[in-house]
Amino acid sequence: KAGVTQTPRYLIKTRGQQVTLSCSPISGHRSVSWYQQTPGQGLQFLFEYFSETQRNKGNFPGRFSGRQFSNSRSEMNVSTLELGDSALYLCASSLEGQGRDTQYFGPGTRLTVL
Amino acid sequence: GQQVMQIPQYQHVQEGEDFTTYCNSSTTLSNIQWYKQRPGGHPVFLIQLVKSGEVKKQKRLTFQFGEAKKNSSLHITATQTTDVGTYFCAGRPPGGYQKVTFGIGTKLQVIP
Repeated sequence: KAGVTQTPRYLIKTRGQQVTLSCSPISGHRSVSWYQQTPGQGLQFLFEYFSETQRNKGNFPGRFSGRQFSNSRSEMNVSTLELGDSALYLCASSLEGQGRDTQYFGPGTRLTVL
Repeated sequence: GQQVMQIPQYQHVQEGEDFTTYCNSSTTLSNIQWYKQRPGGHPVFLIQLVKSGEVKKQKRLTFQFGEAKKNSSLHITATQTTDVGTYFCAGRPPGGYQKVTFGIGTKLQVIP
């Protein structure tokens, strides 16, 4: 089975712009979670989608949003980018989600905001 | 909200020495998972512990889940350079719609 894929792998944006990141889960997985990883904060949970519904949300401002499509692919969007949004954005897919089973992480999208 | 604390944040060991990282949750957990992230890589699942007092082994790695299901540890015996990376614990509270909270991770350096 193919692993979790994320596109693009690298992005450079300027403050105020918006960005859309994409995640394709492992075939058959219906849960997709998104995380922000920074050196000082570790892995911070953004949100989780299951069967096109947002099931959980982390403590991030409304500039961070996401969605999931009927084929389980997911996108996250960050509007009005700030310097502090520079991070590695990881998505993870699993069968059941909600931390009940193994999460398989993608390689991540490295976002740099200038 | 739930907090998961992990110590130490950094650890340097000589190759062949043992290594332990500890994970403590502010609330009781339904399960705890451990992940390893190699430098430049992404987190990879190692194991999940569910039962109170559970101990699981994977070759030189020993994982424990505390009796109160609020803490966990990962112990590596006789470290090797291939053990280099950051080890994360991730805890899930009991109940229906819960999310996983990751510890900040322990970055392990092994000096050959």
